[in-house]
Amino acid sequence: DSGVTQTPKHLITATGQRVTLRCSPRSGDLSVYWYQQSLDQGLQFLIQYYNGEERAKGNILERFSAQQFPDLHSELNLSSLELGDSALYFCASSEGTMTSTDTQYFGPGTRLTVL
Amino acid sequence: GQNIDQPTEMTATEGAIVQINCTYQTSGFNGLFWYQQHAGEAPTFLSYNVLDGLEEKGRFSSFLSRSKGYSYLLLKELQMKDSASYLCAEIYGQNFVFGPGTRLSVLP
Repeated sequence: DSGVTQTPKHLITATGQRVTLRCSPRSGDLSVYWYQQSLDQGLQFLIQYYNGEERAKGNILERFSAQQFPDLHSELNLSSLELGDSALYFCASSEGTMTSTDTQYFGPGTRLTVL
Repeated sequence: GQNIDQPTEMTATEGAIVQINCTYQTSGFNGLFWYQQHAGEAPTFLSYNVLDGLEEKGRFSSFLSRSKGYSYLLLKELQMKDSASYLCAEIYGQNFVFGPGTRLSVLP
């Protein structure tokens, strides 16, 4: 158990819909990262927040957005869902920023299925 | 993942040693991670290298050559539970780029 929690564990929805994935980092960690893992694309970095502010942005679509709240939990919002958005979405947390030696601890993931 | 190359699959025997190679883009390099991921589970941290040389942690070691854009993960005394995907990941500028992963199968 990494100490990072993600809800829900599974989510099934239809194309065109909007969903919100939630992540609670390990106690004391200020950074939250979001990743998408699909069979054909591997693990893709989406976005990082550090202490409530966006710190780095990877391959995140405009239909996706995220935020980190004052209590440091984070939400990833996916809208206008397409079949290709079906994937495992991981959240990770670390003490500091990406460019440090901080280890990222991954949550168990949310499996999203778009029908 | 972009800029990072790893072998897709490897097979080794229980008790043996295996080396998993990773090549990456050198410009903008800020560090390299190795993660282990069992099927259907979250990645777990194995090692981090930012300077040249070998970092040893028990049965696992990781090596980095910044001038060559090359790293390897060395697994000794292989166990069946080491069957997993091994992901090489580069901190590239402000981005975090994962390689495609190497699926290792450990046979009895």
